Order: sequence, then structure tokens, then C-alpha cells
Amino acid sequence: AQKVTQAQTEISVVEKEDVTLDCVYETRDTTYYLFWYKQPPSGELVFLIRRNSFDEQNEISGRYSWNFQKSTSSFNFTITASQVVDSAVYFCALSEAYNNAGNMLTFGGGTRLMVKP
Amino acid sequence: DAGITQSPRHKVTETGTPVTLRCHQTENHRYMYWYRQDPGHGLRLIHYSYGVKDTDKGEVSDGYSVSRSKTEDFLLTLESATSSQTSVYFCAISESRTSTDTQYFGPGTRLTVL
Repeated sequence: AQKVTQAQTEISVVEKEDVTLDCVYETRDTTYYLFWYKQPPSGELVFLIRRNSFDEQNEISGRYSWNFQKSTSSFNFTITASQVVDSAVYFCALSEAYNNAGNMLTFGGGTRLMVKP
Repeated sequence: DAGITQSPRHKVTETGTPVTLRCHQTENHRYMYWYRQDPGHGLRLIHYSYGVKDTDKGEVSDGYSVSRSKTEDFLLTLESATSSQTSVYFCAISESRTSTDTQYFGPGTRLTVL
């Protein structure tokens, strides 16, 4: 069965600090997809990134970067020079290519990031 | 932003009453999903639909039913609400069932069962 673990339930940083959110996953499939979503205080879920299991290249988008390592089953998310607007709950999610429930996403428990000015 | 709306956005109800939540999309996507969000659990799939009148159970389907009579609407019904169903409910859509497809989420419905 697939499982996603976000061990950090809350992280507090001061603005301009770098912060890394950890995500560890479990799956028996060799083909799967990993996602990060952001949930700001307003409550909606915002898609950030999708990564497939065959692409281990790191990705950078502005201040955001993602490090995917199959050897450790991790898909970590780093925010560089954090800002107050980055304060949110961040979810890591996994989708197996051949699961039975459509395109079911399995979510981690989320990490609440608080960026203080 | 994907065109997904949910109604109502907030609801308070009493134990034992039926409740129906509506998800409406304007993207003409085939797949629609209902998740619930609870502290420490992230989001968990309740039911999903892969076409009009085609639905299936997810991870936490007990106590819930769904219906989809039109492509754009996916209804979630709690036949007899219980306090354990107090949660935030999110609808999501995707264009296909392949895992390459991103799911986009609606704004959520906060349901409180007293």
C-alpha cells in the first residue's frame, strides 16, 4: 500500500531563512508520481509541482526547489529566502500509476510552515 | 485557476440529518473526486467518478454516497450525518485517470455535525 510521511508537523522560521520540508514515501510500484500542494490560510489547495518516478532531476522554480531521491524514497521541498507569504500548510502526495482507485492521491499529514517577519 | 466551485462553503447540521454537498466544474473533465481533510491525516479519498453515472469507492467511503448525473456536477451525500463526519471536504477534478494528470481542487466545504 502506498504511504506518504511528512515527519515535520510544524516549522517556524524567520523571514529570509531557507527551509526544507521533508517528504518520505512508500510504494511497491515502479511507476508513480509525486506532488506538492500548498494550502494557505485561506484554505484552498494550490498545486506546486508534479514529478514522475523516472525523472530524478532536481527542479527549481524561483525560490522553490525540489530534491527527488529514489534511493531514499524522498521528495523534499526547499524554500530559499523564505517570505511571510510562504506561511501555509504544505502537502506531499503520491499517485501510483496502476492503482485501482482512479487516480487516487495519497497525502502526507502536511507540514505547517510559519514564517515570521 | 480550474473552474471548480463547491456549495455550500460552510454548513452546520445536527447528527442524524442528511446532508448533500455539491461540486460543480466548468472544465469538462471526466474525473471528479471527493476528499476529506482532517488534522494529521492530510486528505483522504472518499469516492471518485470516472464518468456520468460511473462512480467508485475510495479509502474512506463508509457513510457516504455519491452521484453524478451530469459531467459538470458531482454530489456527495451523507445519509445520516455523524459527528465523525465533521471535516473539510474538497472536490477535485482531473482530465484523465493517468497519474500524469494533476488533480485540481475546489475551495472546500467546512461541515460541522453537532
